[in-house]
Amino acid sequence: EVQLVESGGGLVQPGRSLKLSCAASGFTFSNYYMAWVRQAPKKGLEWVATISTSGSRTYYPDSVKGRFTISRDNAKSSLYLQMNSLKSEDTATYYCARASPFTPVAYWGQGTLVTVSS
Amino acid sequence: DVVMTQTPVSLSVSLGNQASISCRSSQSLLHSDGNTYLSWYLQKPGQSPQLLIYLASNRFSGVSNRFSGSGSGTDFTLKISRVEPEDLGVYYCFQHTHLPYTFGAGTKLELK
Repeated sequence: EVQLVESGGGLVQPGRSLKLSCAASGFTFSNYYMAWVRQAPKKGLEWVATISTSGSRTYYPDSVKGRFTISRDNAKSSLYLQMNSLKSEDTATYYCARASPFTPVAYWGQGTLVTVSS
Repeated sequence: DVVMTQTPVSLSVSLGNQASISCRSSQSLLHSDGNTYLSWYLQKPGQSPQLLIYLASNRFSGVSNRFSGSGSGTDFTLKISRVEPEDLGVYYCFQHTHLPYTFGAGTKLELK
């Protein structure tokens, strides 16, 4: 069974940094692209980042490009999201997601809440 | 960026009836490799989203055959036949043909 467990969320001041982690199990982590998707309170879904199996290729929307960095450690079956220069509009639940052969977001974790506020 | 427009915003249905949700993209989602990268998700209240449909019309593993996806180019539809209580929630379409990937704003399915 695919399991994705996020951690690292919390309250952070604007301009500060936070690093999210996602522990994966139930599948061969190194074989799959991974992604982060976020959801602001009472709002819709927004794709945040995708990383290739080796980590050599990463993709971001303009809203986070240059501030967020997705990375992975295949030896630890772990996915990360380093978030710098955080803004109030980054407040959201962040979901870790695993790809399937035909979609970059197939399996979802339970999410971790990030609140950016002074 | 590709804009995904879902209609209606909310939909009230009676149990056992059919529901239909539309998703239109501002650009064709037909990729140069011949695939159409359009997925549908359901987010039940208090839960993470779950994948229902990929490649516009393929049901994901374990998804009921009451869910069907159709469409091509810029116009897509998700149909739910014989609506059951566990189908209630917010439905999202998602395109990953073009970067950045984008979601529709969601359609809330409620009981009439």
